[in-house]
Amino acid sequence: DTEVTQTPKHLVMGMTNKKSLKCEQHMGHRAMYWYKQKAKKPPELMFVYSYEKLSINESVPSRFSPECPNSSLLNLHLHALQPEDSALYLCASSQAYSLGMNTEAFFGQGTRLTVV
Amino acid sequence: GENVEQHPSTLSVQEGDSAVIKCTYSDSASNYFPWYKQELGKGPQLIIDIRSNVGEKKDQRIAVTLNKTAKHFSLHITETQPEDSAVYFCAALRPNRDDKIIFGKGTRLHILP
Repeated sequence: DTEVTQTPKHLVMGMTNKKSLKCEQHMGHRAMYWYKQKAKKPPELMFVYSYEKLSINESVPSRFSPECPNSSLLNLHLHALQPEDSALYLCASSQAYSLGMNTEAFFGQGTRLTVV
Repeated sequence: GENVEQHPSTLSVQEGDSAVIKCTYSDSASNYFPWYKQELGKGPQLIIDIRSNVGEKKDQRIAVTLNKTAKHFSLHITETQPEDSAVYFCAALRPNRDDKIIFGKGTRLHILP
C-alpha cells in the first residue's frame, strides 16, 4: 500500500472562512510534506514534518498553519486566505528524512482549493 | 542551492515512438533522482528513480540514465502509448542538507495517434 489519502478533493472557501485540509498515510512513513502547486508549475514545498515535528517552513504566510497530530496524519489549517492562494495542495510522505537516506516520496491526489 | 533544469517543456511524439526528457542539476552532492508523472487533476506519481551509485535503471518501457560527471539525467520512454500523455517532472535530492525535493519545471508529453 503506497497510498496517501487527502480530503477533501475540492474546496471552495471565502476569504473570511476557516477550513482544514487533511492527509493520511499508513505506510509507517515518518516524514510528511505539504506542497502547493499552481497550474502548469512544479510543486512548491511549504512544510516538512519529521517525526511529528515541524522541520522546515518555507517562509509560508501564517494564514497557513500545519499540524501533525500523529505519525499518520497531517493537517493544514487555513484562515483568511487570499484569491491568489487558490491552487492544488499536495500532501506527500516518505520513509525517512535527513538521515542521509533519500527514499521515495509518495504524493496524494491533492485538494483543489478555490478562494473566492 | 540546488537548481534543476528540465527540457523540453513540451514534447509531441507519435504513438509507438520513443520519448526522451533531459534534466541537469547543479549540486554535485545530489544523490537521488526521482521522476514523477502527473496526469490532469491528479497528484504526481513516482514512476522511476535512480541513485548516484547507478548509471542506468530500467522498468519495462521506462528507463533512466545518470551521468554524474556531466550532472545530467534523462528519462526514456519506449513504445509510447496514449496513456503516457501527462506532465513529467524530474527532481533531485541532496543528502545531509535539507533533503528537499527540488523539481524541474516539467515536460508536457503529448502522444499523437
